[in-house]
Amino acid sequence: QQPVQSPQAVILREGEDAVINCSSSKALYSVHWYRQKHGEAPVFLMILLKGGEQKGHEKISASFNEKKQQSSLYLTASQLSYSGTYFCGTEIDQAGTALIFGKGTTLSVSS
Amino acid sequence: DAGVIQSPRHEVTEMGQEVTLRCKPISGHNSLFWYRQTMMRGLELLIYFNNNVPIDDSGMPEDRFSAKMPNASFSTLKIQPSEPRDSAVYFCASSLGGPEQFFGPGTRLTVL
Repeated sequence: QQPVQSPQAVILREGEDAVINCSSSKALYSVHWYRQKHGEAPVFLMILLKGGEQKGHEKISASFNEKKQQSSLYLTASQLSYSGTYFCGTEIDQAGTALIFGKGTTLSVSS
Repeated sequence: DAGVIQSPRHEVTEMGQEVTLRCKPISGHNSLFWYRQTMMRGLELLIYFNNNVPIDDSGMPEDRFSAKMPNASFSTLKIQPSEPRDSAVYFCASSLGGPEQFFGPGTRLTVL
């Protein structure tokens, strides 16, 4: 079951904040976040595990609400380099199973 | 260190032709994944291998697609015969069993 990401696209100016959500209809074991810049391969940002704590990567952090089967990615004081498409990937049962990715959220940051 | 290597980077072929995509994972990695990316469907997992053994091929769209991993350093994804709807970017990724998957640069396939 493919997770649903929202919004589909976000347009920001440098310094502004954004939140990207990832929701699943099934109970999740973990949520993985990747960023893909235009014409490049996806790059791993972080993983959030069931029962784990909120994670951070530079000014990008994420949370995982197990009860709601939802994860949120927080981009604070956005920089031009944050532009790209953000994907969440979910594991349902346990670590080491295949990831199912959402369709992505495209973030555009301008100066 | 070299990352995941994929070849060719671009492939243009005609409907009905056989297409073979190649992947060399990062040395020492024991899991390998093949993904297909399109605007409509996003990033879809086609198949993944663990220690050269196919674990889950439920994402392979139909019998026209096949994948092999004859050894730890090489994998192929074959489409025979190819169709225009197979046009997409195909990514190979590898991991060391942990959460982080390292993606290759992708192969952009166009089937005319």
